[in-house]
Amino acid sequence: KAGVTQTPRYLIKTRGQQVTLSCSPISGHRSVSWYQQTPGQGLQFLFEYFSETQRNKGNFPGRFSGRQFSNSRSEMNVSTLELGDSALYLCASSTDYDRVFFGPGTRLTVL
Amino acid sequence: SQQGEEDPQALSIQEGENATMNCSYKTSINNLQWYRQNSGRGLVHLILIRSNEREKHSGRLRVTLDTSKKSSSLLITASRAADTASYFCATDGYNNNDMRFGAGTRLTVKP
Repeated sequence: KAGVTQTPRYLIKTRGQQVTLSCSPISGHRSVSWYQQTPGQGLQFLFEYFSETQRNKGNFPGRFSGRQFSNSRSEMNVSTLELGDSALYLCASSTDYDRVFFGPGTRLTVL
Repeated sequence: SQQGEEDPQALSIQEGENATMNCSYKTSINNLQWYRQNSGRGLVHLILIRSNEREKHSGRLRVTLDTSKKSSSLLITASRAADTASYFCATDGYNNNDMRFGAGTRLTVKP
């Protein structure tokens, strides 16, 4: 099976812009979750989608949003980018209550 | 917020030696998972251990779980230079896919 894929792998944006990141889960996985990784805060949970519904949300501002499509692919959007949004954004997929597999990440740099 | 803490924060050993990393967490769990991350890349799933399990093995990896002490350990035997990476433990939240990560242990294996 192909693993979790994320596009793009690298992205450079400027403050105030918005960005959309894409994630394709492992075939058959209905749960997709997103994490932000920064040197200062480590790995932090953003949100999780299951069967097109947001099931859990972490402590991030409303500028961070996501959605999941009927084929389980997911996108996350960050609006009004801030310098502090520079991070590695990781997508993960799983069946329920089982191993969670991560993609390679999207490295976002905000200038 | 982070759930767990890995100990030590950094570990440097010679090739062929064993490496032991510890993880402590704060709340009750269903599962605990260990991941490896090479610099700036995605997380590679190593092992999942369920709350009713005490020990699991996978190749050169041995994971233990002590739910009474809310702690887990990861042992890598006969380490190789390619094991150089950061290692994270992750515990599930309300459901499996809302995971809490520790800050990680940075392992360096010298050839």
